[in-house]
Amino acid sequence: EVQLLESGGGLVQPGGSLRLSCAASGFTFTSFAMSWVRQAPGKGLQWVSTVSGSGGRTYYSDSVKGRFTISRDNSKNTLYLQMNGLRAEDTAVYYCAIRPASSGDLGPLDYWGQGALVTVSS
Amino acid sequence: ETVMTQSPATLSVSPGERATLSCRASQSIDSNLAWYQQNPGQAPRLLIYGASIRVTGIPARFSGSGSGTEFTLTISSLQSEDFAVYYCQQYNRRPALSFGGGTKVEMK
Repeated sequence: EVQLLESGGGLVQPGGSLRLSCAASGFTFTSFAMSWVRQAPGKGLQWVSTVSGSGGRTYYSDSVKGRFTISRDNSKNTLYLQMNGLRAEDTAVYYCAIRPASSGDLGPLDYWGQGALVTVSS
Repeated sequence: ETVMTQSPATLSVSPGERATLSCRASQSIDSNLAWYQQNPGQAPRLLIYGASIRVTGIPARFSGSGSGTEFTLTISSLQSEDFAVYYCQQYNRRPALSFGGGTKVEMK
């Protein structure tokens, strides 16, 4: 059974940093591209970033480019999102999600974790 | 950026009735469209990809159609568990992915 468990969320001041993690199990980790998608309170879904199965290719939305860094540790079956320069508008539940790498890095997201809440406020 | 627009924002339907949800892309995305269902407090669930291909295990009452810029998700006979928010997502205009604003299907 595919399991994705996000952690690392919390309250941070504007301008601060936070690192999210997504621990994965139940599938061959390197065979899946992994993404972060966020959802502001009461709002819709927004794609944030994607990393290929090997970790060699990364993609970012314009809204986080230059501030967020996606990475993965394939020896630990874990995905990360390093978030720097946080703003109030980054407040959201952050989901990790996966798709088979054989189908391309960017596309429909087959499985999602339950999310981690990040609140940016003073 | 490809903007995805969903309509209506809210759809009021009685159980057993048909629901028709629309999604429009600001430019052609061929058939590179997915639909998700999200229940309150839960993560989204992939229902359909390739505009019309149902994910394994998704009931046949869910169907998708369209190509280019106009897409439709139809739920043929609404069950109680289908009252939720539905999002479309385009994946044609890489490297960016984008979602629609969502349609809430509520009980009439």
